[in-house]
Amino acid sequence: GENVEQHPSTLSVQEGDSAVIKCTYSDSASNYFPWYKQELGKGPQLIIDIRSNVGEKKDQRIAVTLNKTAKHFSLHITETQPEDSAVYFCAASLVGYSTLTFGKGTMLLVSP
Amino acid sequence: DGGITQSPKYLFRKEGQNVTLSCEQNLNHDAMYWYRQDPGQGLRLIYYSQIVNDFQKGDIAEGYSVSREKKESFPLTVTSAQKNPTAFYLCACSKEAAYEQYFGPGTRLTVT
Repeated sequence: GENVEQHPSTLSVQEGDSAVIKCTYSDSASNYFPWYKQELGKGPQLIIDIRSNVGEKKDQRIAVTLNKTAKHFSLHITETQPEDSAVYFCAASLVGYSTLTFGKGTMLLVSP
Repeated sequence: DGGITQSPKYLFRKEGQNVTLSCEQNLNHDAMYWYRQDPGQGLRLIYYSQIVNDFQKGDIAEGYSVSREKKESFPLTVTSAQKNPTAFYLCACSKEAAYEQYFGPGTRLTVT
């Protein structure tokens, strides 16, 4: 089955800096890669996703890039703000066929 | 407003008792999921259902049971056979299997 590894497990940045979280996946058939943000005591919220037919997707300060050959994808957050502090999860799946496989999460701390 | 709800937010039980966690959605989504979250472990799939009256075991189904009698409801029972039931439980739903999962707010279960 699919295996997703996520790095780093914790990331501390200063407000205004950029943050990058990386994930690798094992199943070359996977074609859907979402990213979730989870604030303390709440359920995860989908913030951006990408399908394997594109290499990059942006939404304001966040972007996701995908390298199918290397089987890795990354979340990029620019101009970080304290409210970006949360745990971020990546995931991978084959749409319509199976379930999501999640990475173990990255705790992002943005200091003012 | 459309959404997915879980109740209660906090639940306390004595060891040896079965307990049922509620999950309801009004998004008209076919697929529903239950995850368990422990510190540092990410999200682990317990059970999922892609259609009414049908469900499949996830990675950690032992000690849990589910039912899917209605499209909008997917309750999870934590049985006394679950060796370490204290955890944060998350329910999710999606229109299409493994695609754009929406999470509920979670139930924190404590068993003593």
